[in-house]
Amino acid sequence: GESVGLHLPTLSVQEGDNSIINCAYSNSASDYFIWYKQESGKGPQFIIDIRSNMDKRQGQRVTVLLNKTVKHLSLQIAATQPGDSAVYFCAENLSIQGAQKLVFGQGTRLTINP
Amino acid sequence: EPEVTQTPSHQVTQMGQEVILRCVPISNHLYFYWYRQILGQKVEFLVSFYNNEISEKSEIFDDQFSVERPDGSNFTLKIRSTKLEDSAMYFCASSDWETQYFGPGTRLLVL
Repeated sequence: GESVGLHLPTLSVQEGDNSIINCAYSNSASDYFIWYKQESGKGPQFIIDIRSNMDKRQGQRVTVLLNKTVKHLSLQIAATQPGDSAVYFCAENLSIQGAQKLVFGQGTRLTINP
Repeated sequence: EPEVTQTPSHQVTQMGQEVILRCVPISNHLYFYWYRQILGQKVEFLVSFYNNEISEKSEIFDDQFSVERPDGSNFTLKIRSTKLEDSAMYFCASSDWETQYFGPGTRLLVL
């Protein structure tokens, strides 16, 4: 199928703590996944991506883990800051005969408490 | 850093009217997309466009919708006869291959 789902709709963490946002996908043929951050009133902002031939990819303060066995993605944000407050979406890239499209999950709202 | 831009940022229209939403993709990108996001919901794919033709479209993208690349920089989404349920944020995106970069969106309100 083409569904991408998230485990939790909201997550609150203390400033400075680490946060983990989870995502499940259903299409075992998917080979490219992206995490986007969406702040209020703005468009999705690319954070990090990962291909299916990788288990882990790190960026600046963010890490994405991919478990293909259980079709699960997670986004880890280290040392959260107030600016990390946003809705985070995982997206699955589907490529059909060369045409690309993203299938987004519902999103997790991350709130950073001072 | 290059970015996708969209105009207008907000559009209010009467039901049955035509609207055109405009986008300027990142200049060296070849793939263009429109998505929409109804308030409080997830982002949904509408259409992808490459080499001056539609590559794929969703079931949302019916005959009331059309896209065009009228010149070398603009990419437009037209809704011919708007319905109340067309009220949403509309996002344009572009890519050079897989990684899509999004614009800030146009908030469309149909009254």
